[in-house]
Amino acid sequence: EAEVAQSPRYKITEKSQAVAFWCDPISGHATLYWYRQILGQGPELLVQFQDESVVDDSQLPKDRFSAERLKGVDSTLKIQPAELGDSAMYLCASSQGRGRDEAFFGQGTRLTVV
Amino acid sequence: GESVGLHLPTLSVQEGDNSIINCAYSNSASDYFIWYKQESGKGPQFIIDIRSNMDKRQGQRVTVLLNKTVKHLSLQIAATQPGDSAVYFCAENQGYSTLTFGKGTMLLVSP
Repeated sequence: EAEVAQSPRYKITEKSQAVAFWCDPISGHATLYWYRQILGQGPELLVQFQDESVVDDSQLPKDRFSAERLKGVDSTLKIQPAELGDSAMYLCASSQGRGRDEAFFGQGTRLTVV
Repeated sequence: GESVGLHLPTLSVQEGDNSIINCAYSNSASDYFIWYKQESGKGPQFIIDIRSNMDKRQGQRVTVLLNKTVKHLSLQIAATQPGDSAVYFCAENQGYSTLTFGKGTMLLVSP
C-alpha cells in the first residue's frame, strides 16, 4: 500500500543548531503539506505545496523555517536555528491535489530540542 | 469541553458500546470534512469523509453526521473495540484551501 515516507522518525538536537526533515509523498500526489503538532493539540499547517510551488506558507516562521520541493516530488523542511519551543511532531501529508480530497499522513518526525 | 494543552476532552466507553464524538467547525463556507484517527506516536489516519451536499455518510462501523445549520459534525462508532482507542480529529476545508484541524477528542475503550 502506498504511503507517505518521512525521516528521521526521531531527532534530538541542541538549541541553535540546524535540523532538517525529509518527506516523500505518495507517487502522483501533487499537493504536499507540512504540519506541526504540539502534544495534545491538532496539527497546524506550516506550508502547502502544489507541485513545486508554495501555495500557503502564511503560518511558517520564515525567520528560521524553510521548506522546498524542488522537483515537485519529495520535500525538505529545515529549521535554523532550532529553539526549545520547536519541540513537536512534524507531519508530512500528501493528496492528489484536486481539492476536496483526503490527505494521507506520514508517521511524522518527533523533534526534541534540548 | 475545551482542551487546554495536554488536557484533551476524553470519552470513556466500554467495549461493545456505541461511541459518539462531536466536533464544532468554524468556517461556514467549508464544504469538505474528514475524520482522522491518531494513535500515540503515529500520524493521523483517514477514517471517513463527507461533502457538504450530504448530511450523513456510513462506512464500516462508522457514521458521520453533518449539521451545517449549527456547524456541527459527529462521528459515531458502532460496537466500539479496544483498538478504537485513540485521539480523533475532525478537519475541514473549502475548495482548494488548506485542511484545518479541530481540537481532538481522546477515546478510551475499556475491555
